[in-house]
Parts: sequence; C-alpha cells; structure tokens
Amino acid sequence: DIQMTQSPSTLSASVGDRVTITCRASQSISRWLAWYQQKPGKAPNLLIYKASSLVSGVPSRFSGSGSGTEFTLTISSLQPDDYGTYYCQQYNGYPRTFGQGTKVEI
Amino acid sequence: QVQLVQSGAEVKKPASSVKVSCKASGGTVNNFGISWVRQAPGQGLEWMGGIIPLLGTANYAQRFQGRVTMTTDESTNTAYMELSSLRSEDTAIYYCALDLSAENIYFDYWGQGTLVTVSS
Repeated sequence: DIQMTQSPSTLSASVGDRVTITCRASQSISRWLAWYQQKPGKAPNLLIYKASSLVSGVPSRFSGSGSGTEFTLTISSLQPDDYGTYYCQQYNGYPRTFGQGTKVEI
Repeated sequence: QVQLVQSGAEVKKPASSVKVSCKASGGTVNNFGISWVRQAPGQGLEWMGGIIPLLGTANYAQRFQGRVTMTTDESTNTAYMELSSLRSEDTAIYYCALDLSAENIYFDYWGQGTLVTVSS
C-alpha cells in the first residue's frame, strides 16, 4: 500500500496567515493527489484534485502543488471558515489511501 | 448537483452484519464510481473499497476482503455496503463517496455518514 504522511498534525494560526500543509507519499504517485477539508461532524469536502486543480467554487486562496512524492496545500490568507482537518489522498494505486490529517485551528 | 443520502445509525452485535444504503439524487448512481470510506471515532479516513457499476467491477482494500460487499441497485438509484463478521473495531462512521469520472479516483460528493456501533 502507498503510505501518505502529512505534517504537521496540528497547526494553529491567525486570520490572514499563510498556511502550508505537506503530504509525502511512500512512493511516486505522479500528480494523482487530492485534498479534502473536513469540519467536525461533517463529511469531507473535495478542494483540489490532480495535485493543483481547484474544484469549482473553492476559494482561490487555496492552492496545491507538487509531484512525485512531495505535495503541499497552501492557504494564502487564512480565514475564520478555514478551520477543520485537511486530508490528502492518493489515487495512483489501490487501495486509495489518505494521510492521517492536519487539524487547523484558528 | 448530486446528493447522497445514507441510511440511519445502526447498533450491531459482534459477529453480525450491517448493510448501509446510499441513495443518489441528481444523477444515476450506475454512471459513476461509488466508494465507501470509514472513520473510526477521532481517527482519520480509511478507504474500504469501491465499485464501478458500468464496468461491473469492485475493488476492495485487502483488509476488508471477504468481509465486505458493495453493490448498486439501478431501479432505486441506491448503493449498498454490507460488512460482515463485525467486531468492536468496526465501530465507525461509514461514508459513501461518489466519483464523477467513474474510476474511483477522488471523491466529488459524499453522503452524510452512517454511524455503526458494534457492541455486545
């Protein structure tokens, strides 16, 4: 299985801060990576696919980059509604696997 | 806009089975890929497997092989996930997740989740 490792596990930041979350794959996954945001008690919400493609309707302050084994999710200016846990997910191979999550506190 | 509505919470005894449903509206479930993802209390997301009804294929994570069955019913536009031989570690929220590309790659829409509690 492809292991996905996120860092940090928890992140505390202020409104307006630039925030970066890292996701590393145990082997190359090209650009087959998605990012989700999950708020407490809710289902995950797709933000980014193919490493850097923003889902329609997702604010442009979210961006993704990377390829191979190292990826980042950046929030350019953190907003109050951006709290929650962020997960990366690879779809280069089966089984699909998720990172362990990064909790963002504001 | 596709919406997925899952069945209600379940309490099950160890060694029994549970079948969770996921009814789609705004699209035909058989035209998409449907995966099931679970989340144990306070834990992360775990992909259990997925089906691609158009191809008639299912792909299950190794750790669930032999215990899980995923199906769809075109007549009711509903997907199902049945998990057998339940144990306490299966206590989790179970989500259905839909992939518009029908390849079970990433998941555009999610159900609201179904809490399954396994307890004697």
